[in-house]
Amino acid sequence: AQKITQTQPGMFVQEKEAVTLDCTYDTSDQSYGLFWYKQPSSGEMIFLIYQGSYDEQNATEGRYSLNFQKARKSANLVISASQLGDSAMYFCAMRDSPSGGYQKVTFGTGTKLQVIP
Amino acid sequence: GAVVSQHPSRVICKSGTSVKIECRSLDFQATTMFWYRQFPKQSLMLMATSNEGSKATYEQGVEKDKFLINHASLTLSTLTVTSAHPEDSSFYICSAPGGVNYGYTFGSGTRLTVV
Repeated sequence: AQKITQTQPGMFVQEKEAVTLDCTYDTSDQSYGLFWYKQPSSGEMIFLIYQGSYDEQNATEGRYSLNFQKARKSANLVISASQLGDSAMYFCAMRDSPSGGYQKVTFGTGTKLQVIP
Repeated sequence: GAVVSQHPSRVICKSGTSVKIECRSLDFQATTMFWYRQFPKQSLMLMATSNEGSKATYEQGVEKDKFLINHASLTLSTLTVTSAHPEDSSFYICSAPGGVNYGYTFGSGTRLTVV
C-alpha cells in the first residue's frame, strides 16, 4: 500500500524567504507520480507541481521546485521568495502505477504554511 | 483548460434528509470520478471511485448505502448522502482523471453541514 508522510503540521516563513516542505513516500511500484497541491481556506485544490518517478530532472514551476530524491523516497517542495498569498495548506500526493485501470491518488496529512510579513 | 464544475458549494440540511452533490466535467469526458471527504484540518480521504456505466468502487469503511454514487454519463457523477447526520458534516470534493495538470482536475468542493 502506498503511504505519504508529511511530518510538519505547521510551518512559518518570513515573507520573501524560501521554505521547504517535507514529504516522504512509500511504494513498491517502480512507476509513480508525485504531486503537490495548495489548498487555501476556500477549499479548492490548486495544482502546483508534478514529478514522475522516471524524470531525471527535478520539476520546477515558477517559484515552486520539487527536490526529488528517489533513493530516499522524498519529494520536498521548495517555495522561493514566499508571498503572503502562499499562506495555505499544502498537500503532497502520489498516484500509483499508470499501467491499467484508474490511478488512485493518495494524499499526505498536509502542512499548514503561514507567511509572516 | 479542463474544468470540473461541482455544485452546490455549500449546503445546510436537516438531520435525516438526503443531499445530492453533482460533479460535471466541462470540455472533457470523465469516465472515472474520484470522491473525497475532508474533515476539518485533516487530509483528503478517498471515499469511492465512480465509473461511467458501472457500479462505484467504495473504499474500506465507507457505507455504500449511505453514500450513493451514480455516474450517469461521461460528464456527470453524483454523490448522494442519504439520511444525513451531523457526523456527515464535512467537505466533499471530486476529482476526474483527464484534462490538464498531469491528469487530475478537481471540483471546487462542497461544504456540507448537517444540523
